Amino acid sequence: QSVLTQPPSASGTPGQRVTMSCSTSSSNIGFNFVFWYQQLPGAAPKLLIYKNNLRPSGVPDRFSGSKSGSSASLAISGLRSEDEADYYCAAWDGSLTNVLFGGGTKLTVL
Amino acid sequence: QVQLRESGPRLVKPSETLSLTCTVSGGSVSSGSYFWSWIRQPPGKGLEWIGYMYHGGKTTYNPSLKSRVTISVDSSKNQFSLRLTSVTPADTAVYYCARDVDSGIDWFFWGQGTLVTVSS
Repeated sequence: QSVLTQPPSASGTPGQRVTMSCSTSSSNIGFNFVFWYQQLPGAAPKLLIYKNNLRPSGVPDRFSGSKSGSSASLAISGLRSEDEADYYCAAWDGSLTNVLFGGGTKLTVL
Repeated sequence: QVQLRESGPRLVKPSETLSLTCTVSGGSVSSGSYFWSWIRQPPGKGLEWIGYMYHGGKTTYNPSLKSRVTISVDSSKNQFSLRLTSVTPADTAVYYCARDVDSGIDWFFWGQGTLVTVSS
């Protein structure tokens, strides 16, 4: 079973730009879309990015996603204290019969 | 606006069956256009996809849970349900129901989540 790998933590200061990665050793996932979720403490996850780089309505353009091969990234510009949360990437596996989550990156705003 | 709400027992004994229901408002669970999902999160840990139902009754499950999971729909009540058999303490988690927008796993709509504890 493929695994999506995320760094466990990231940090930045207000106003800074922060990026976090989501990678896999499986070349199959490189052909599938990546989705990003933000989870504030005690809350359900919130969809941030879908189909690699698209933002749902209501998500500020400070959040952006990209994908290249078997790696994806989430970037947050103009970092704010309210961005402090856990961030998860998700994707189907190559056979489209399993949905995988990364382990999550905990973002701290210093 | 679509709203989802999980309900069911909060405490389940080991070896028994966990049963949860997701009640949908603002949309029809019978719509064949959407993927109706269950996702869980053990305390202090990450998210795990359990499975989804789509196209009016087809299902796909996480291979690691497939032998124990059933997702079904009750159109008359506008609900879909999760059954997880032979539970162990490792199944203790917050369980979420969710619905996509158009990509299957672009879960825009979520329930608030319900903590289910497996303990004797």
